[in-house]
Amino acid sequence: DSGVTQTPKHLITATGQRVTLRCSPRSGDLSVYWYQQSLDQGLQFLIQYYNGEERAKGNILERFSAQQFPDLHSELNLSSLELGDSALYFCASTSPGLAGGEDTQYFGPGTRLTVL
Amino acid sequence: AQTVTQSQPEMSVQEAETVTLSCTYDTSESDYYLFWYKQPPSRQMILVIRQEAYKQQNATENRFSVNFQKAAKSFSLKISDSQLGDAAMYFCAYRSSWETSGSRLTFGEGTQLTVNP
Repeated sequence: DSGVTQTPKHLITATGQRVTLRCSPRSGDLSVYWYQQSLDQGLQFLIQYYNGEERAKGNILERFSAQQFPDLHSELNLSSLELGDSALYFCASTSPGLAGGEDTQYFGPGTRLTVL
Repeated sequence: AQTVTQSQPEMSVQEAETVTLSCTYDTSESDYYLFWYKQPPSRQMILVIRQEAYKQQNATENRFSVNFQKAAKSFSLKISDSQLGDAAMYFCAYRSSWETSGSRLTFGEGTQLTVNP
């Protein structure tokens, strides 16, 4: 158990819908990262938040957005869903400032999204 | 942009034997971090080992060790005394040390490891 939690574990929805994925980082971690794992494109970085602020952006679609709340949990919002958005979405966290902790990302169990 | 390449989509090994998974990367940076993650059928991403580029000594974690060759931009993972529980997809990942690029991980395509009893 990495200490990172993600809900829900599975999500099945229809095209055109909107969903919200939730992530709670490890206790004390300030940074949250979102990744998408699909058959077509492998594991891709989407976005990073640090202590409530967006820190870095990767290949995130405009239909997707994220935020990190004061309690440090994060949500990834996916809208106008398409079949190609079906994937495993991972959240990871790190602890900047701790010896060695800044460099290592610990992953949650993922949310499997199926768009029908 | 950095790229990570794993040229072996699949590998197999006999239980108790040793196997080496290959990874190469492309970067113009001199300071960075490299990781191996394991993804078993449960799909959980589990950290196996990490290497800081400024360290010449190869990292070791129990039965797992790396061969880090900075000049060749090569970062292979050696699994000794392979166990059935080692069967998984293994991903090599690169992280820049530059603050401006954030701390994103760039992953390779993965190597599916099968352990035969």
